Amino acid sequence: DAGVIQSPRHEVTEMGQEVTLRCKPISGHNSLFWYRQTMMRGLELLIYFNNNVPIDDSGMPEDRFSAKMPNASFSTLKIQPSEPRDSAVYFCASRPKGLAGNEQFFGPGTRLTVL
Amino acid sequence: KNEVEQSPQNLTAQEGEFITINCSYSVGISALHWLQQHPGGGIVSLFMLSSGKKKHGRLIATINIQEKHSSLHITASHPRDSAVYICAVYAGNQFYFGTGTSLTVIP
Repeated sequence: DAGVIQSPRHEVTEMGQEVTLRCKPISGHNSLFWYRQTMMRGLELLIYFNNNVPIDDSGMPEDRFSAKMPNASFSTLKIQPSEPRDSAVYFCASRPKGLAGNEQFFGPGTRLTVL
Repeated sequence: KNEVEQSPQNLTAQEGEFITINCSYSVGISALHWLQQHPGGGIVSLFMLSSGKKKHGRLIATINIQEKHSSLHITASHPRDSAVYICAVYAGNQFYFGTGTSLTVIP
């Protein structure tokens, strides 16, 4: 199994540009999570999906952030317009069916730099 | 107020030493996770606990639900254990994260 796949691994963009981060969860997993990690705030949950449906997006910082999961094998996190304070590492994780607090499998992350 | 507190924030140990990292939380949880983040940034889930103790190789994780406390122990520490260890709890459909403990094991 290839594990959780994220792309791109690194993204450098200018303030105001649209940024799209992509995630392919592990096949058969039914929950998907988007996290952001910064030095100041550590690891934060942004949004998670169960069976492609967004369950809790209370961690999404503001309207500039949106996430979609059109099918069980793909999700996107979009920032429009991007700002320098969005610079962070964004992780995607997936979880198999079962107890809600079960183990998650993390992708390698996307390091975003907004200039 | 942080729902999850970890201690210590930073820890340096000599190879072979026994290491303990602590996690205290203030919310009612259904599960607690210990995560390991390598210097390269990758995150690995080490344990998921809801009670008692789990062991995997040189790693042992314990949880005391009544005291709202968990510990991660590393026996016979090795330089490759150098990483950031993050405690996360699952409560009320939400995850709460500690700020992590940065461990450096010196040869």
